[in-house]
Amino acid sequence: EVQLVESGGGLVSPGGSLRLSCAVSGFTVSDAWVSWVRQAPGKGLEWVGRIFSKTAGGATDFAAPVKGRFTISRDDSKNMVYLQMNSLKTEDTAVYYCTKYGSGSFHNWGQGTLVTVSS
Amino acid sequence: QSALTQPPSASGSPGQSVTISCTGTSSDVGGYNFVSWYQQHPGKAPKLMISEVSKRPSGVPDRFSGSKSGNTASLTVSGLQAEDEADYYCCSYAGNNLVFGGGTRLTVL
Repeated sequence: EVQLVESGGGLVSPGGSLRLSCAVSGFTVSDAWVSWVRQAPGKGLEWVGRIFSKTAGGATDFAAPVKGRFTISRDDSKNMVYLQMNSLKTEDTAVYYCTKYGSGSFHNWGQGTLVTVSS
Repeated sequence: QSALTQPPSASGSPGQSVTISCTGTSSDVGGYNFVSWYQQHPGKAPKLMISEVSKRPSGVPDRFSGSKSGNTASLTVSGLQAEDEADYYCCSYAGNNLVFGGGTRLTVL
């Protein structure tokens, strides 16, 4: 059974940094594409970024609002994926979901972790 | 990239059919057969209901179907049931980007 469990959310000041973790079971992260999607309170879904599988080169790409501030990495030995968020803005406040991605779809979702950016 | 356009709300009585539209452009919906639909109940994570325009993942009832014509994709829910009441989001691949619709709240009357 595929499971994704996010952690690391919390309250951070504007300009601060936070690293979210995604613990994966049921598949091997190095063989899969993993994507992050966020949802601001009371709002819709927004794609954040993704990391390609090792066989696809392991590259990452990001949505325009977070490009240059967020990075995604993977620890194959722990079967974990991370979202490093720097220079956080109030508009980054959202629930962040880790997903298993493929063929343009987000097939499996974690329960989400809330990030609040506020002074 | 602008969000895809969905109606904010839709409704139907139990047993009826409802169709939710998702309008984009030739750079997203019209350019790729990578449109997906997600169901989200309050306080829960989204769930994939339709992938690649019309493919239904294992476990999704066959009451849910997807289609596409030009720059508009559609999700049809047939034989509405109380548990179908939720928010529904469409999403399309758009090159090195993925774009969501604003969401449609489906109410079962």
